Amino acid sequence: DGGITQSPKYLFRKEGQNVTLSCEQNLNHDAMYWYRQDPGQGLRLIYYSQIVNDFQKGDIAEGYSVSREKKESFPLTVTSAQKNPTAFYLCASSIDGQTLYNEQFFGPGTRLTVL
Amino acid sequence: QKEVEQDPGPLSVPEGAIVSLNCTYSNSAFQYFMWYRQYSRKGPELLMYTYSSGNKEDGRFTAQVDKSSKYISLFIRDSQPSDSATYLCAMSGEANSKLTFGKGITLSVRP
Repeated sequence: DGGITQSPKYLFRKEGQNVTLSCEQNLNHDAMYWYRQDPGQGLRLIYYSQIVNDFQKGDIAEGYSVSREKKESFPLTVTSAQKNPTAFYLCASSIDGQTLYNEQFFGPGTRLTVL
Repeated sequence: QKEVEQDPGPLSVPEGAIVSLNCTYSNSAFQYFMWYRQYSRKGPELLMYTYSSGNKEDGRFTAQVDKSSKYISLFIRDSQPSDSATYLCAMSGEANSKLTFGKGITLSVRP
């Protein structure tokens, strides 16, 4: 089955620790995205990548880092510099990132809680 | 003013009701308009998308776009308990396929 997987489903982190969220897709999509969802805030774009070895900051990139070494993988690191990291994190992919519209397919999300 | 505004909700309706969900936007460059449905603790899934102004119907769902008023709507006819979810509007149309989302509205359909 084609799709997007995110792991883990739930993640707990102590303050001051970095943590990496995994996102893998087997849809052969060029573009991948990371969003953060807070209650009452909708989805906010953290980083996106239109092609391997390239990525751009979204609207709320501070305190986060990403890499795109493989087409199918786009891990997100939440660093200790992120002041309020507790949130629901969603990864998405689309066929490409250049066309004005391509459907974005979402993974099941990772809920991160900072203790 | 935020780029995309969505009625905050929550919204609770009886089964069989007609539901109207709405978003307004300020960026006239938006050309593609989407509605995503998100069940609790799940990722969003695309429900409908529309290009430019007009209506699009899919079963019990109708998406409507009025670009002159910068206003989009999603209508759900004969609502069912299985429609209980959060509905997010999203838009794109600038240089690439980045989406701008509304905050989402949580709908509950009572049996």
